[in-house]
Amino acid sequence: SQQGEEDPQALSIQEGENATMNCSYKTSINNLQWYRQNSGRGLVHLILIRSNEREKHSGRLRVTLDTSKKSSSLLITASRAADTASYFCVMMEYGNKLVFGAGTILRVKS
Amino acid sequence: DTAVSQTPKYLVTQMGNDKSIKCEQNLGHDTMYWYKQDSKKFLKIMFSYNNKELIINETVPNRFSPKSPDKAHLNLHINSLELGDSAVYFCASSQGGRDYGYTFGSGTRLTVV
Repeated sequence: SQQGEEDPQALSIQEGENATMNCSYKTSINNLQWYRQNSGRGLVHLILIRSNEREKHSGRLRVTLDTSKKSSSLLITASRAADTASYFCVMMEYGNKLVFGAGTILRVKS
Repeated sequence: DTAVSQTPKYLVTQMGNDKSIKCEQNLGHDTMYWYKQDSKKFLKIMFSYNNKELIINETVPNRFSPKSPDKAHLNLHINSLELGDSAVYFCASSQGGRDYGYTFGSGTRLTVV
């Protein structure tokens, strides 16, 4: 099965700036999800975008999906120090199996 | 009220031992999973159970055996532990289907010495 690729691997920004993370995948998907993982903790589900959707918003999060390019992006606006975490894009393949990207480590400096 | 709880949080054991990790969810979800996160933070599915039945069984050594006594519990038993088994193991649950996200436990860090 496929693995997702995330870009950048690490991102360091100042509080208040926007953070953009990108994800690419190889095969067809049912949906794409983004999760956050704080150090030493479990993954927290942030947002899910279906394969027939192009953009979705949730609070300060904006996710786009381009199935023709097999890519997605996560935008966090007006970042806060508490947003510091690893962010994973997760593809749900047909058969409802999740495949994880390697993650982007985001550091927000106050 | 922890939604997905797994115990223990840390487990240090010697090679060759047998150990178990327990997982319980109180969300009423039908599907539960075990994932392994390696040192590079990459997560891979190990097993998936739907209503106590095995749905996904990835290429995992048969030293790993999941057990689901009921749909709220999915335990992971590991025989003859090896150094390469050291990782963080995550339990998760979902309502199933393609419109729902997953809820993860906080992980069990297994260290084999």
